[in-house]
Amino acid sequence: QLQLQESGPGLVEPSETLSLTCSVSGGSIGSTNYYWGWIRQPPGKGLEWIGSIYYSGNTYYNPSLKSRVFISVDTSRNRFSLRLTSVTAADTAVYYCARHVWQQWDRYFDYWGQGTLVTVSS
Amino acid sequence: QSVLTQPSSASGTPGQRVTISCSGSSSNIGSNYVYWYQQLPGTAPKLLIYKNDQRPSGVPDRFSGSKSGTSASLAISGLRSEDEADYYCAAWDDSLSGPVFGGGTKLTVL
Repeated sequence: QLQLQESGPGLVEPSETLSLTCSVSGGSIGSTNYYWGWIRQPPGKGLEWIGSIYYSGNTYYNPSLKSRVFISVDTSRNRFSLRLTSVTAADTAVYYCARHVWQQWDRYFDYWGQGTLVTVSS
Repeated sequence: QSVLTQPSSASGTPGQRVTISCSGSSSNIGSNYVYWYQQLPGTAPKLLIYKNDQRPSGVPDRFSGSKSGTSASLAISGLRSEDEADYYCAAWDDSLSGPVFGGGTKLTVL
């Protein structure tokens, strides 16, 4: 059974960089037809896709966040990471990592991590 | 403001059938598959429907999805108390080159 687990600081100061890692177990991050994505959910609000990465390093980012987001992958450790720079209170959210099924016309998130709350505050 | 539009709330009594709508545009629902996620309180979203109307293994057939043009809907029949959750629609958006979500519908079982 595939499992994903987010890890990283729960508190980040304004203007600093948010960094999270997603560890994947029960499957290889190098599997074809799968990207690996980050999604966030501000408290009491809906879901927002941040970006997704392939094991080769190819990435897609949400244009609204693209200037501040960097997603990387470490195939040797079977994990991928998120960096979000210049954070503000608006970046406070539960951050989820998920496996992103990526076929020609069929793209969706089938396995999700439990999520981690990141609060931006001084 | 979410790209896909859903009603903020819906409700029904046990045993009833409820539907949740999702409206988009030609760049997302109109040209791509629709997906539905269920988010129980305090948990991560779970895939409920994929490819407009397909259920993953383990999802009861009380849940069904449909799509027509630039709109989609999720139907839940034989409503049960454990169905109380937030429901999100999603679709790939060709303009964004990424997935977009609806704002979510909070389903209350009265």
